Amino acid sequence: QVQLVQSGAEVKKPGASVRVSCKAFGYTFTDYDMHWVRQAPGQGLEWMGWINPSSGGVNYSEKLQGRVTMTRDTSISAAYMELSSLRSDDTAVYYCGREGSGSYSGAFDIWGQGTVVTVSS
Amino acid sequence: DIQMTQSPSSLSASVGDRVTLSCRASQSISTYLNWYQQKPGKAPKVLIYAASSLQSGVPSRFSGSGSGTDFTLTISSLQPEDFATYYCQQSYSTPFFTFGPGTKVDIK
Repeated sequence: QVQLVQSGAEVKKPGASVRVSCKAFGYTFTDYDMHWVRQAPGQGLEWMGWINPSSGGVNYSEKLQGRVTMTRDTSISAAYMELSSLRSDDTAVYYCGREGSGSYSGAFDIWGQGTVVTVSS
Repeated sequence: DIQMTQSPSSLSASVGDRVTLSCRASQSISTYLNWYQQKPGKAPKVLIYAASSLQSGVPSRFSGSGSGTDFTLTISSLQPEDFATYYCQQSYSTPFFTFGPGTKVDIK
């Protein structure tokens, strides 16, 4: 079964860093780009960035450039998103999403279950 | 950067109603437009990709249209399970994607 399974909820203090993992099952991990999207409480979806699992190439949103790092470990079909210098407005649900290929390119056809990150002193 | 807007921000409708949601891009994005449905506490789910193609498994009451800057998601006969928030997303400026702010559909 094709699915993305994310790591569990995190509580962090302001200024700390958080790393969220996203493990892929049921498909060839390196064949599909992976994106990260977050959603603050009661707010909409915010695209954070993208990683090409095959090459490791990345692109980040301008807003998060300098604080976000996306990596992958192809040996275990996992993608990681690390966000540093956390602030209270980074409190959100963080999702990984697989970008479809071919005709589906550009659309996120598989999503992880979401990881709640709470930033609080 | 390509900005996405959606209207209305919310609407109230009844089961069986025909519902039309709008999405507008700040510049032409051809048909690089996808629609998602999100229910509370759940991850989004893709409904329509490439502006008008129905994702496998999605009921045929959902349809998408448009190109350039103006797009529409139509639900032909609203069902109880359709009450949710709907987001559009552009993939024209790949890999820098943008979501619209969403339209919440609730029960009248």
